[in-house]
Amino acid sequence: KAGVTQTPRYLIKTRGQQVTLSCSPISGHRSVSWYQQTPGQGLQFLFEYFSETQRNKGNFPGRFSGRQFSNSRSEMNVSTLELGDSALYLCASSLTTSGTNTEAFFGQGTRLTVV
Amino acid sequence: SQQGEEDPQALSIQEGENATMNCSYKTSINNLQWYRQNSGRGLVHLILIRSNEREKHSGRLRVTLDTSKKSSSLLITASRAADTASYFCASRGDDYKLSFGAGTTVTVRA
Repeated sequence: KAGVTQTPRYLIKTRGQQVTLSCSPISGHRSVSWYQQTPGQGLQFLFEYFSETQRNKGNFPGRFSGRQFSNSRSEMNVSTLELGDSALYLCASSLTTSGTNTEAFFGQGTRLTVV
Repeated sequence: SQQGEEDPQALSIQEGENATMNCSYKTSINNLQWYRQNSGRGLVHLILIRSNEREKHSGRLRVTLDTSKKSSSLLITASRAADTASYFCASRGDDYKLSFGAGTTVTVRA
């Protein structure tokens, strides 16, 4: 069974640009969550999608957005990039997020550097 | 902001020794999970303990949960060099998200 796939693995962007990151969850998983990891703030929750609906959103500005497609693949977009957006962006998939099967499986992440 | 704190922030032990790290969380939970991360890579799921469980084992890992104190601990027995990593606890509440602690960096010396 293939794991969670995130693309691209590394990205360098210039301030003011926008970026789109992609995440393909484990087959059969309907929940996809996104996290930002930085040395200063640790792992911060961005948003969670389940069956194409955003169910929860973290405390991030509107420049951060996401969506989920009917095949459960998800994308997140960051517009008007700032230097502080440099981080490791992690995607996690779960079979569900309630009940007993709520383990989250993470991809290898996308390392975004804003210059 | 983070859901909780982990203690200690860093731990250095000799191969073969045990490593214990603690985690506290702030709100009620459905379950608590522990993850390992090697050097800026993705997180690997280690173990999940439900809110109605008090202790769980998986190989060399032992997790305890005390919901009255809103705390959990992870014990790694007979540590190996390959256990060198950062360890995170994450609590899952009713809001669908995982809230992570700040993590404990474990270094196992050969």
